[in-house]
Amino acid sequence: NAGVTQTPKFRILKIGQSMTLQCTQDMNHNYMYWYRQDPGMGLKLIYYSVGAGITDKGEVPNGYNVSRSTTEDFPLRLELAAPSQTSVYFCASSYGGTGGWDEQFFGPGTRLTVL
Amino acid sequence: QKEVEQNSGPLSVPEGAIASLNCTYSDRGSQSFFWYRQYSGKSPELIMFIYSNGDKEDGRFTAQLNRASQYISLLIRDSKLSDSATYLCAVNMEYGNKLVFGAGTILRVKS
Repeated sequence: NAGVTQTPKFRILKIGQSMTLQCTQDMNHNYMYWYRQDPGMGLKLIYYSVGAGITDKGEVPNGYNVSRSTTEDFPLRLELAAPSQTSVYFCASSYGGTGGWDEQFFGPGTRLTVL
Repeated sequence: QKEVEQNSGPLSVPEGAIASLNCTYSDRGSQSFFWYRQYSGKSPELIMFIYSNGDKEDGRFTAQLNRASQYISLLIRDSKLSDSATYLCAVNMEYGNKLVFGAGTILRVKS
């Protein structure tokens, strides 16, 4: 199993450009998440999904969009990139059990710079 | 605002010593608690989770939860150079398995 994969690894965008960060998992997990991590900070949840066709906002959704058409894929779309979106973006997935705990597995991250 | 607070460090300990990392959380209704380790430039990886009051041990690691004080800690015994990393505390505060992360504590193990 490859686990959670993300592409690209690095990207430089100009202000106002758009791009899609790709995320794929092969663990048949129901839940998927997008986080951003700014230097010296913890992870902030952008969007999450509890299954195909279902998405919801996290703590910092402004400037981003997501879709979940399949169990495996959860792309993150940045429209009109701004310098404040310079960050490292992590995708994660989890089984989604209801037992009160649920390990999230993280992808390797995408380092995005907006200039 | 649901918050998770950690001392940013760095916490420096000699090799072989015990490292003690601490975390507090704001939401009394929080369900479960996680410690993730993150090496520089890498993604977080789960070390331990805990949801019952008290201690939970796994090898050199012990997680402690005190719900009354809204406090979690991670003890690392016999610290090794390879333990040098940032340790992120995360709390499941809401239904849907959404985690709120602390900013992390940098641990440096010195030879």
